[in-house]
Amino acid sequence: AQTVTQSQPEMSVQEAETVTLSCTYDTSESDYYLFWYKQPPSRQMILVIRQEAYKQQNATENRFSVNFQKAAKSFSLKISDSQLGDAAMYFCAILLQGGSEKLVFGKGTKLTVNP
Amino acid sequence: GAVVSQHPSRVICKSGTSVKIECRSLDFQATTMFWYRQFPKQSLMLMATSNEGSKATYEQGVEKDKFLINHASLTLSTLTVTSAHPEDSSFYICSARVSVRGRAFFGQGTRLTVV
Repeated sequence: AQTVTQSQPEMSVQEAETVTLSCTYDTSESDYYLFWYKQPPSRQMILVIRQEAYKQQNATENRFSVNFQKAAKSFSLKISDSQLGDAAMYFCAILLQGGSEKLVFGKGTKLTVNP
Repeated sequence: GAVVSQHPSRVICKSGTSVKIECRSLDFQATTMFWYRQFPKQSLMLMATSNEGSKATYEQGVEKDKFLINHASLTLSTLTVTSAHPEDSSFYICSARVSVRGRAFFGQGTRLTVV
């Protein structure tokens, strides 16, 4: 079974600085997608960034980028120039392309941005 | 982007009654919809996967007779919590996906309180 581990229950960062959220996963499959989702206090799940496992190039979306290390099964999220609106719960997730193709989420990291 | 509308956003019901939650894809047809449950300060736990016109696939430990899922059309799935108990109080979130490798879009969630 696949698992997703987020070892940092809480993180904090100063506004305008950079923070990295960790995520490791375990799967025996070779074809999968990895995601970072943001859940602000409104509870709406918002996709932050997506990475296809077959792509070696790290995905980037404006101030958000990932460090995807497939051999190490690591998928960290870097937030640059942190803004107050980045404060939220961040969930790492994996989607396998075979079988039921369901998202499996990590337990989340609560990010606080200090002004 | 695609919009998934979940209704109601909050509901309070008496113990022993049933409550229905709707999940609609507003501007796309969703071949697959997913229902999650999220306890306070915890991650999203998949309850079931539903495909239009077929029976839902429930995750291990989820009572299918208690959590009735109907996916009657490509734009609507419903979750009915039958004979609700206080321990069913939780945050329920649906997501919808267009195709097999398509991105999943999330509803706003429903906070259910059983008194």
